[in-house]
Amino acid sequence: TQLLEQSPQFLSIQEGENLTVYCNSSSVFSSLQWYRQEPGEGPVLLVTVVTGGEVKKLKRLTFQFGDARKDSSLHITAAQPGDTGLYLCAGWGESNYQLIWGAGTKLIIKP
Amino acid sequence: KAGVTQTPRYLIKTRGQQVTLSCSPISGHRSVSWYQQTPGQGLQFLFEYFSETQRNKGNFPGRFSGRQFSNSRSEMNVSTLELGDSALYLCASSSTGGNSYEQYFGPGTRLTVT
Repeated sequence: TQLLEQSPQFLSIQEGENLTVYCNSSSVFSSLQWYRQEPGEGPVLLVTVVTGGEVKKLKRLTFQFGDARKDSSLHITAAQPGDTGLYLCAGWGESNYQLIWGAGTKLIIKP
Repeated sequence: KAGVTQTPRYLIKTRGQQVTLSCSPISGHRSVSWYQQTPGQGLQFLFEYFSETQRNKGNFPGRFSGRQFSNSRSEMNVSTLELGDSALYLCASSSTGGNSYEQYFGPGTRLTVT
C-alpha cells in the first residue's frame, strides 16, 4: 500500500516568515500534486510535478520533487495571511487510477 | 467554463436512513471521482467513474455506491447511514480520468448523521 506522510501536521507562524512543508513516501510516484483547501471548500490544485528533481515556482511558493520521485516539498517565502489553509499533497501511483493523499498540513499565518 | 457543482451543500440525516449526493462535472470532463474527508482520516478515495463505468474503487463497505449518467453527472448513495459517515463528501472531475494530472474539485456536501 502506498502512503504519503506530510509534516508538520500543523504550523502557525508570523507573517513574513518562511516555511517548508514535506511530503514523504517509501514508494515511487509517477507524479505528485499539491493542493490548498480552505474551510468549506474543495481542494484547489496548485501544481503538478512529474520529473524527478523538478522544481516549480508559483509566485512565493516553490515546489520540488525528489530525485527518486518518492518525496516532495513546498516552500513558502515571506508568508502572508492569505496563505492560510490546509495544504495537501497527493501522488499518482505508477500502476493505479487513484490519487494517494497525505493527511495535510494546516497552516496559519498570523498578521 | 462552470466549475464542478455538488448538491446539496449541507445535509442532516438520521442513523439508518439513506442519502443520495449529486455531482455535475466540468463540461467535457468524463471522469468523476468521489472522496470522503474527515478530520481523523483525511481524504479517502471512494470510487471513480469514467464514461458511465466504475473504473476504480476504494476500501469502503458496500453501503457506499455510485453511478454515472450519460451526461457525466454522477451520484453517490449511502445506505443505512452510521454516525461515522458524517463527513465532507467531495467529487472531482477530470478530462481523461485514470492517471490524469489534474482533478478539479467541487465545494463538497457536508453530511451530518445524528
